[in-house]
Amino acid sequence: DSGVTQTPKHLITATGQRVTLRCSPRSGDLSVYWYQQSLDQGLQFLIQYYNGEERAKGNILERFSAQQFPDLHSELNLSSLELGDSALYFCASSARAQSNTGELFFGEGSRLTVL
Amino acid sequence: AQSVAQPEDQVNVAEGNPLTVKCTYSVSGNPYLFWYVQYPNRGLQFLLKYITGDNLVKGSYGFEAEFNKSQTSFHLKKPSALVSDSALYFCAVRDSGAGSYQLTFGKGTKLSVIP
Repeated sequence: DSGVTQTPKHLITATGQRVTLRCSPRSGDLSVYWYQQSLDQGLQFLIQYYNGEERAKGNILERFSAQQFPDLHSELNLSSLELGDSALYFCASSARAQSNTGELFFGEGSRLTVL
Repeated sequence: AQSVAQPEDQVNVAEGNPLTVKCTYSVSGNPYLFWYVQYPNRGLQFLLKYITGDNLVKGSYGFEAEFNKSQTSFHLKKPSALVSDSALYFCAVRDSGAGSYQLTFGKGTKLSVIP
């Protein structure tokens, strides 16, 4: 158990809808990272937050947004969903923004299916 | 920009034989290198990392990896494979001098250990 909690584990929705994925980092970790895993693209970095502020942005679509709250949990919002958004979405956490020698701790993911 | 290549989509090895999962990387500065393992329907678990120092790094479950700067490689190895090692393995890199903090992952290598 990594200590990172993600909900929901599974989500099925229709095209055009909006969903919110939630992540609680390990106790004491200030950084949260979101990754998307799909069969054809592998693991793609979406966005990172540190102590409530956005720190780095990757291949995140404009239809997607995220935030980190004062209690350090994070939410990833996916809107106007398309079939291609079907994927496993992972949250990871680390202790410091740079975490320059530290590894990331991953949750078990939220599997999104868009029909 | 940082990148990782895992040239083999799948590696098959007999139980008890040594295994190698290959990884090459590209960064502008000095690399921080990681190996993660993903079991079916689970999140990524940290195996080992190279930050600096000894080129041979030992990690969890008897795995080790060798950093080779001249060949820009960080191959994962284990002297004697177990059936329970069957999983998806990801190599990841971060440029130690970069302003961004996220890890860039390879596309993964599926390891199958045959009894």
